[in-house]
Amino acid sequence: EVVLTQSPGTLSLSPGERATLSCRTSQTIDSSHLIWYRQTPGQAPRLLIYGATSRATDIPDRFGGYGSGTDFTLTISRLEPEDFAVYYCQYYGTSPPFTFGQGTKLEI
Amino acid sequence: EIHLAQSGAEVKKPGESLKISCKGSGYSFSSYWIDWVRQVPGKGLEWMGNIYVADSDTKYSPSFQGRVTISVDKSNSTAYLQWSKVKASDTGTYYCARRISRYNYGLGYWGQGTLVTVSS
Repeated sequence: EVVLTQSPGTLSLSPGERATLSCRTSQTIDSSHLIWYRQTPGQAPRLLIYGATSRATDIPDRFGGYGSGTDFTLTISRLEPEDFAVYYCQYYGTSPPFTFGQGTKLEI
Repeated sequence: EIHLAQSGAEVKKPGESLKISCKGSGYSFSSYWIDWVRQVPGKGLEWMGNIYVADSDTKYSPSFQGRVTISVDKSNSTAYLQWSKVKASDTGTYYCARRISRYNYGLGYWGQGTLVTVSS
């Protein structure tokens, strides 16, 4: 089972600043299997990044995914109010279970 | 438009059975996997398992194997998640979801969630 560890647990920033979120996997994975989501209170998660670096439909270019091997990063430049939410990474590949990280809360 | 519509909130007593549903529309339902994800109140996301609609091939997380059953009715474009005997620890919101495409990983389409409350 691939274990994903996200850091930090909570990130406190202001609108307009840049956020950097980390996701580390317990074993090397194919980059195509690393996914990022955003979840706001009371809503279902929304896909942001798939394949470690590809933005999903309608996701602005403020969001960037990077990394390979066991270390992956989500960056959000110029934070907007709607970006203050919880972010999850997920391993979704060929060998279930398709585990999630524990989440990073981005707060003002 | 691709849409996953889940059944409504449920309130159950421990030991009761439960079956919740997820109806897909706007795409070829049989061509995709449907995944189920749990979220305990105030906690993170947990992948439970998935089912390939075309042949009912089912995968479970070890954490949920033997506790739930995932099934599908192709004729009604509906996937199901069921418990034979719920426990208080099954309280949470359950989401169904579909990959963004057959060739890219990532759950791009989600149902609205079904809140399950188990309490005596």
